[in-house]
Amino acid sequence: GEDVEQSLFLSVREGDSSVINCTYTDSSSTYLYWYKQEPGAGLQLLTYIFSNMDMKQDQRLTVLLNKKDKHLSLRIADTQTGDSAIYFCAESIRNYGQNFVFGPGTRLSVLP
Amino acid sequence: EPEVTQTPSHQVTQMGQEVILRCVPISNHLYFYWYRQILGQKVEFLVSFYNNEISEKSEIFDDQFSVERPDGSNFTLKIRSTKLEDSAMYFCASRDNRDSPLHFGNGTRLTVT
Repeated sequence: GEDVEQSLFLSVREGDSSVINCTYTDSSSTYLYWYKQEPGAGLQLLTYIFSNMDMKQDQRLTVLLNKKDKHLSLRIADTQTGDSAIYFCAESIRNYGQNFVFGPGTRLSVLP
Repeated sequence: EPEVTQTPSHQVTQMGQEVILRCVPISNHLYFYWYRQILGQKVEFLVSFYNNEISEKSEIFDDQFSVERPDGSNFTLKIRSTKLEDSAMYFCASRDNRDSPLHFGNGTRLTVT
């Protein structure tokens, strides 16, 4: 069935760039999303990309989409300690109607 | 910026009891959802709701669960006869059309003892 995969952990030093990767299986995905979850908090929408785009930049965030390989990445430039959180990739799957499918989340740890 | 609000933030209940989790979606949104996240696990889809009826539900959403939009602003999830394994964070979400992003509330942490 449809699935979204991510690596579970990533550690970077403050000031470095972080790259969080995601692979998905459904080629009919229309939108792909990145959500951020801080400890004990809800899911905050960070950014999203339409499936016919290759790249989207929003301040420190850059999303790259390789539709052929079904690969999505989120790059955070100049990573700060406040970026420490779990980052979820999600796809919107039309075949299932209106629900999203989330990846397992990547826990980003930013070291001083 | 408008947001989805959920109450309570934390609910503790005894096994076998019924709970109602409440959500106020963003006011002009038409599509409503419930998701859950068991500690340390994936965010799982439970149910979607549109035009006053369930449009999609997962295998998790069995007869123990029900949803309701009792008025123009609230969207509730009822869990009957709670079990220990229902302990999770429950997230409500809404969006204005089926191609727009989901906006999530901060969740209700349900603890069943």
